Amino acid sequence: EAQVTQNPRYLITVTGKKLTVTCSQNMNHEYMSWYRQDPGLGLRQIYYSMNVEVTDKGDVPEGYKVSRKEKRNFPLILESPSPNQTSLYFCASSLLSQKGPYEQYFGPGTRLTVT
Amino acid sequence: AQSVTQPDIHITVSEGASLELRCNYSYGATPYLFWYVQSPGQGLQLLLKYFSGDTLVQGIKGFEAEFKRSQSSFNLRKPSVHWSDAAEYFCAVVNDRGSTLGRLYFGRGTQLTVWP
Repeated sequence: EAQVTQNPRYLITVTGKKLTVTCSQNMNHEYMSWYRQDPGLGLRQIYYSMNVEVTDKGDVPEGYKVSRKEKRNFPLILESPSPNQTSLYFCASSLLSQKGPYEQYFGPGTRLTVT
Repeated sequence: AQSVTQPDIHITVSEGASLELRCNYSYGATPYLFWYVQSPGQGLQLLLKYFSGDTLVQGIKGFEAEFKRSQSSFNLRKPSVHWSDAAEYFCAVVNDRGSTLGRLYFGRGTQLTVWP
């Protein structure tokens, strides 16, 4: 089954404790991306990647890191989480055209709480 | 900067009534445009997309949207709303040029409530 998987689905952590949220897709998509969703703000792009070893900042990259060492995986790293990073996070992937990504296939989401 | 505006934060309609959700974007060309729907506690599902060609596009669940270049709009419509359409709807635009090529912008969403 074609899908985007994220782990963990729920995470409660404390300020400053490094964490990684994994994302994997099995559709051979070139484009992968991370979003955070906050009430009233919609989805905001954190980072995106259009190819292996190529990553770019989205609208809200501060406090996050990503890497794209393999085509299928795109982990999101919070080196020192803070309470303002409490949010619902979505990973997504898509095929890529010359004009940019096609429709996004979203993972199920990771609800992160930082206390 | 690229932006996507959904001017209606919350819309309430009666079941069977028609629906139009508005989306405007600040862009001069013809970007890729999308509408996604998110039911409570769920992930996002693609409703429809516009890349080029016919400006009226059909999607799933009886939705359609019309791209109007002159108005920089991509409004979503449905002739008769069902109670199961109650959800949050997001418009999204891809930046297709410049240093932020590939960046995806979402509107803040429109929450749809359907009265029986």
